Amino acid sequence: AQRVTQPEKLLSVFKGAPVELKCNYSYSGSPELFWYVQYSRQRLQLLLRHISRESIKGFTADLNKGETSFHLKKPFAQEEDSAMYYCALSTGGGADGLTFGKGTHLIIQP
Amino acid sequence: EPEVTQTPSHQVTQMGQEVILRCVPISNHLYFYWYRQILGQKVEFLVSFYNNEISEKSEIFDDQFSVERPDGSNFTLKIRSTKLEDSAMYFCASSDRVASVISPLHFGNGTRLTVT
Repeated sequence: AQRVTQPEKLLSVFKGAPVELKCNYSYSGSPELFWYVQYSRQRLQLLLRHISRESIKGFTADLNKGETSFHLKKPFAQEEDSAMYYCALSTGGGADGLTFGKGTHLIIQP
Repeated sequence: EPEVTQTPSHQVTQMGQEVILRCVPISNHLYFYWYRQILGQKVEFLVSFYNNEISEKSEIFDDQFSVERPDGSNFTLKIRSTKLEDSAMYFCASSDRVASVISPLHFGNGTRLTVT
């Protein structure tokens, strides 16, 4: 069965510092990877997906199949980036569900 | 921008009671999902629904759970006889298909279920 691991429950960085939220996965096939974000009192929303290869709000994530990782990065953190970040995996095809990691609470200090 | 809406935002029920959580997915979406998040734990997949039937369900989704699309707009999750451990935030989500690719999930705000 597939699994998503986010090793950091909490990550605190200063404004302007680089951010890296780690995500590792295990799945024998070719998964699709996502990052979802949940700002305070708001719903879960898609931040980015690996097949889009785009940068959203300055965040990027590269799928590394060799290391089975999909780390989320931003070069300069902003206070409004404070939120819960969830890495999620889809095994692809059909209406299969997402497997989520436990989430990382990112706090950006002024 | 269209949103997935869930009602109620908070539901309190006694152990053993039946509860129905309601969701209105985005109108042109075809795939519907329920997830739950127990306090302090990760978001867990419960069930997906497409073409008026369950597509996939997790081990959590046992005989106490059922889903229904009673009309063209609502998507409900029923828990037949609630247990204390059913207390969680329940998220509904929907997605669409664009050129044979299923689009990302759009989530509702969630219903907090408290079983006493």
